[in-house]
Amino acid sequence: GQNIDQPTEMTATEGAIVQINCTYQTSGFNGLFWYQQHAGEAPTFLSYNVLDGLEEKGRFSSFLSRSKGYSYLLLKELQMKDSASYLCAVERGNAGNMLTFGGGTRLMVKP
Amino acid sequence: EAQVTQNPRYLITVTGKKLTVTCSQNMNHEYMSWYRQDPGLGLRQIYYSMNVEVTDKGDVPEGYKVSRKEKRNFPLILESPSPNQTSLYFCASSLAGGGEQYFGPGTRLTVT
Repeated sequence: GQNIDQPTEMTATEGAIVQINCTYQTSGFNGLFWYQQHAGEAPTFLSYNVLDGLEEKGRFSSFLSRSKGYSYLLLKELQMKDSASYLCAVERGNAGNMLTFGGGTRLMVKP
Repeated sequence: EAQVTQNPRYLITVTGKKLTVTCSQNMNHEYMSWYRQDPGLGLRQIYYSMNVEVTDKGDVPEGYKVSRKEKRNFPLILESPSPNQTSLYFCASSLAGGGEQYFGPGTRLTVT
């Protein structure tokens, strides 16, 4: 089976830095996505990692270690609007056609 | 505006009454997929399609059917809905398999 683990909830303070971890054990691995989902809305794309290392995009960075089955999403200079769920998803399949999501991490940013 | 649309957005139905949820994208994407989202279980892939007339099962296909007769449309069919199919459903599309997926707004289905 496929197993992707993330913390269920996290709380952080506005202006701070938070790291959301994701560990995975899946049959097949092509890459790893992070999506953001605000309550009542559709998920939106944040990042995609294929190779080991850190990918930086503005206030958001994502890290991948394929050998350890581990990724994290780093959010800097937290803003209230960052309160949302963050979904880790493993892409697998011969053509990247299958996507398996973790349960998501609900982040609450407090003033 | 580039978008994925789903209809209906909300639906309450009874057990056994066939229903179809439509999904359409205007980005000429080859890849489309259906997910259901349940509390504590996250998003789970139901079916996906790599192109017209090419569909395959995701992780939770039981009780669902799909078709891809046109590139832009990918309807989800529940032939005989049951209460355990009460869920929030998302359709998504991407340029190709393995690309960033664009999600529709979601369809909240309740089966009584």
